Amino acid sequence: QKEVEQDPGPLSVPEGAIVSLNCTYSNSAFQYFMWYRQYSRKGPELLMYTYSSGNKEDGRFTAQVDKSSKYISLFIRDSQPSDSATYLCAMSWTGANSKLTFGKGITLSVRP
Amino acid sequence: KAGVTQTPRYLIKTRGQQVTLSCSPISGHRSVSWYQQTPGQGLQFLFEYFSETQRNKGNFPGRFSGRQFSNSRSEMNVSTLELGDSALYLCASSLDYTLTPGNTIYFGEGSWLTVV
Repeated sequence: QKEVEQDPGPLSVPEGAIVSLNCTYSNSAFQYFMWYRQYSRKGPELLMYTYSSGNKEDGRFTAQVDKSSKYISLFIRDSQPSDSATYLCAMSWTGANSKLTFGKGITLSVRP
Repeated sequence: KAGVTQTPRYLIKTRGQQVTLSCSPISGHRSVSWYQQTPGQGLQFLFEYFSETQRNKGNFPGRFSGRQFSNSRSEMNVSTLELGDSALYLCASSLDYTLTPGNTIYFGEGSWLTVV
């Protein structure tokens, strides 16, 4: 079992839809959870981060962490064609020698 | 503020050759990490450097190596290239090596390596 599993996609939704992206993980030491967005032929850019459990909202984006279920989600409200990209979840324990472990990413396409 | 800069952006090499990729971190960032991204395996951690010392290493063969200079710039080298080394190589920088909420990791745009 891989440490981080992410739905493989791809995912295609109409403009304005609510998008739900999910990852599960097996390492209970993970405390730092991130979502990165990667446009075609570009490097990943940090979208959201959450430390430990709970929700975090930033505009149309909400990140949710459920440590008891080892499950994290990213919700995108009122999706736009500009949201079309690959979304990667990443997580880590905190402290020295910590490193990011990524999901494989899911490609989202928002149709106008 | 300039972002993470990687050079070259695109390169084609022949099996058996070696390649050196370069990364300039964000000014003030002292930690540099390298990742390999492929369609099949996704993003995989190669190694991390801080203050010219390798602090962490992923599960890659010894053909993959790196170093960091006193100005925090970093290079990675792949020797005896194989077809399977074709990938996007991403460099990331952060203030230091401890992943905390205040220490965000920023990625460069990557170096696309094709091995033929």
